[in-house]
Amino acid sequence: GNSVTQMEGPVTLSEEAFLTINCTYTATGYPSLFWYVQYPGEGLQLLLKATKADDKGSNKGFEATYRKETTSFHLEKGSVQVSDSAVYFCALFPRGGNTGKLIFGQGTTLQVKP
Amino acid sequence: ETGVTQTPRHLVMGMTNKKSLKCEQHLGHNAMYWYKQSAKKPLELMFVYNFKEQTENNSVPSRFSPECPNSSHLFLHLHTLQPEDSALYLCASSQDLTGAYEQYFGPGTRLTVT
Repeated sequence: GNSVTQMEGPVTLSEEAFLTINCTYTATGYPSLFWYVQYPGEGLQLLLKATKADDKGSNKGFEATYRKETTSFHLEKGSVQVSDSAVYFCALFPRGGNTGKLIFGQGTTLQVKP
Repeated sequence: ETGVTQTPRHLVMGMTNKKSLKCEQHLGHNAMYWYKQSAKKPLELMFVYNFKEQTENNSVPSRFSPECPNSSHLFLHLHTLQPEDSALYLCASSQDLTGAYEQYFGPGTRLTVT
């Protein structure tokens, strides 16, 4: 079946540190991959996505590359800010799916300290 | 502001009460979703509607009853809930069910069952 596994949190970093949040997936074929972010007191919002192998999604200084060899979609940012503190969710949508069902990981909490 | 609003934002109810959650989207989308978000668990998809028709019921107990009168409004009627139903309930919408378009989330209703 389809599933997403994220690294356990919380991840605590100092401002301007380098961020990596690991995400690996299991799926039939080549799904579309997403990172969503949830700021405190808000719903989820799309951060970036990639729809095929070797695609790189990027937004707000965050990047993730679709690696089919390692079935991974790790999230990275070169220099985090306090305002990046949030919960980050990796998700997949099965190729050819038409049910609307996004498969989410359990989320990783990021805390950035000044 | 994502274009998806939810009311109320917070709700406390007893196990014998009946209440309803409301979601409205101003994006012209055709698909709407209810998710349950509990601490330390992945997001759980509860229901999916497409063009007002329910297309997915993810084995949700009958004490949760969804209603979609039109493509812009989605309700979740609650009755005789259990304490383990306490969670953040998120509504989302998307253009269609193919995964080609992102899902937009509301801020959620924080439900506490006493």
